[in-house]
Amino acid sequence: DAKTTQPTSMDCAEGRAANLPCNHSTISGNEYVYWYRQIHSQGPQYIIHGLKNNETNEMASLIITEDRKSSTLILPHATLRDTAVYYCIAVGTLTGGGNKLTFGTGTQLKVEL
Amino acid sequence: NAGVMQNPRHLVRRRGQEARLRCSPMKGHSHVYWYRQLPEEGLKFMVYLQKENIIDESGMPKERFSAEFPKEGPSILRIQQVVRGDSAAYFCASSLGTDEKLFFGSGTQLSVL
Repeated sequence: DAKTTQPTSMDCAEGRAANLPCNHSTISGNEYVYWYRQIHSQGPQYIIHGLKNNETNEMASLIITEDRKSSTLILPHATLRDTAVYYCIAVGTLTGGGNKLTFGTGTQLKVEL
Repeated sequence: NAGVMQNPRHLVRRRGQEARLRCSPMKGHSHVYWYRQLPEEGLKFMVYLQKENIIDESGMPKERFSAEFPKEGPSILRIQQVVRGDSAAYFCASSLGTDEKLFFGSGTQLSVL
């Protein structure tokens, strides 16, 4: 699976949009971009994933550049409860080997009043 | 619709004892993954199982650790003769299919005295 690079930490004011970038310049054509987050001491929580097109769900939006070398996770109206470590993970598919996730160090997002 | 259930939530063992961690996947899920998170570190993949089969155990330590996912009942991660370095949070995740997104449990915090 391709390596991803994320900023170590970011701050965001409550109510504002949080934009979390991720670089995955060596991503291959069959690799999806997955985002998970981990709130302190809890298990990781799935947020969203995509291959080529932008995606949106009730939690967030995922914007993937046309060349797929980078993406941005957008939390449209961040709240204090969104404070967490956010992981961007490139995952190959159709290998039959399962959806094994390789967690890096992620981005520590701190939402403040 | 219950999520991934792990128990116990906290487990304390003395050096040399055995630890057994249990994971009940989400209803209908037949794929289980175990991850370990050492203090102040990221999550590391340990093992991927389907019902009655170990598919990928590339992240499992060679000795003292074993995992099973029987036809009936929860998945079990077993650590024999625990040492202080085994103290960590152990997370289980399940998925519906081979390349489907993972849902994580709340973890078991193992403390070895």
